[in-house]
Parts: sequence; structure tokens; C-alpha cells
Amino acid sequence: EPEVTQTPSHQVTQMGQEVILRCVPISNHLYFYWYRQILGQKVEFLVSFYNNEISEKSEIFDDQFSVERPDGSNFTLKIRSTKLEDSAMYFCASSEWPNEQYFGPGTRLTVT
Amino acid sequence: QKEVEQDPGPLSVPEGAIVSLNCTYSNSAFQYFMWYRQYSRKGPELLMYTYSSGNKEDGRFTAQVDKSSKYISLFIRDSQPSDSATYLCAMSAGRGSTLGRLYFGRGTQLTVWP
Repeated sequence: EPEVTQTPSHQVTQMGQEVILRCVPISNHLYFYWYRQILGQKVEFLVSFYNNEISEKSEIFDDQFSVERPDGSNFTLKIRSTKLEDSAMYFCASSEWPNEQYFGPGTRLTVT
Repeated sequence: QKEVEQDPGPLSVPEGAIVSLNCTYSNSAFQYFMWYRQYSRKGPELLMYTYSSGNKEDGRFTAQVDKSSKYISLFIRDSQPSDSATYLCAMSAGRGSTLGRLYFGRGTQLTVWP
């Protein structure tokens, strides 16, 4: 069964460093998303991406965040200058049409 | 932000019990309703997906949506220890600029003991 994959599974970085989280969505899916989950809190929407552009972004997704689909298979989230409060699980999701979203296993980001 | 409310539990039941999980919401624009299962430190796994009001059944799982009450439920029949996980409700408006954006509940932690 096709699935969303994410790398790395765990990323440790120092405050102020740039990180890139990578995702390979399900191959026939057209809609891509990033969410995050701070420990003990709700899963929160960051951004949606369709037709090579951002469809919507949340208030969390400020100028330090960017997304890119550099080729036909990868979808990346870049955080330019990480802060302690960026520590969270980051989930990529994809869907063939909006709403029925399939999530990857997540990348645990730890900022020290 | 209190758009989706879900009792975090924990909920502990014996094997074979019927489990009822619920969420309420405030945004009447929500049209699509989902239930996800999440094991510790893993990604949410889509269990059920429904559109608008009504019931949907898939094996031991039944999802119900009551839009008039802004209330959704997930029932698990003949619960098994392997059902032990956190269950997340999620919903979206599905139109306009919010197309696809999911709003999640906090999740209910369920333990099914043998």
C-alpha cells in the first residue's frame, strides 16, 4: 500500500540554524500539506500546496518557513533560523483531492 | 483556538467493550469529518472519512456526524488491545481558501486491556 515517507526521522539542530525536512508524498496525489504537533498539544496546520504554489498558510507559517517541490517526488519544508519553540513533530500529508489526507510518520525536530 | 473540542481521556476499557469517542465543534462551515488513530510518536493514520451528516461503517468502526448538533462520534465494536492508541478527530470546511486545511481535536487516549 502506498504511503507518505519522511526523512529524517529525528533532527537535532542548534538555535539559529537552518533545517530542511523532506517528504515523499503518495505518487498520484496532488495536494500536499505540512502540520506540526508540539508535545502534548493538538496537530496544527502549517501550509497547503497545490499546483506548485502555496494554497493556504496558517499564522504559524511566517517568513522563516518555506516549502518547495523541487522535483516530481519530493516536498520539503525549510525553517531558516530555528528557535527553541520550533521543537515539535512535523508531519507531511498528501491527498488525491482535498480533505482525505494521508500522513507520514513525522520528523521529530529538537532545537537546542 | 477552540474550534474542535475533544475529551483527552484517558479512557480505559476491557477487551470486547464498545467504545464511544466524541468531538464537538463550533464552525458550521465544516463539511468533512475524519477520524485518525495515532500511536505514540507516530503519524496519524486515517481511519474514517465522512462528508456532511450521517453514518459510515467500516468493519468494527462506525462514524456518525450530526451537523445540527455540531457533534461527531466514532464507535469501536468488539474492542481489541491493538486498538489502544490516541484517536484524533479532524474536520475541514472544504471550500474556498480553507480547502483541505484540517482542524484537529486534542485526541482521546484509549487503552483496551485484555
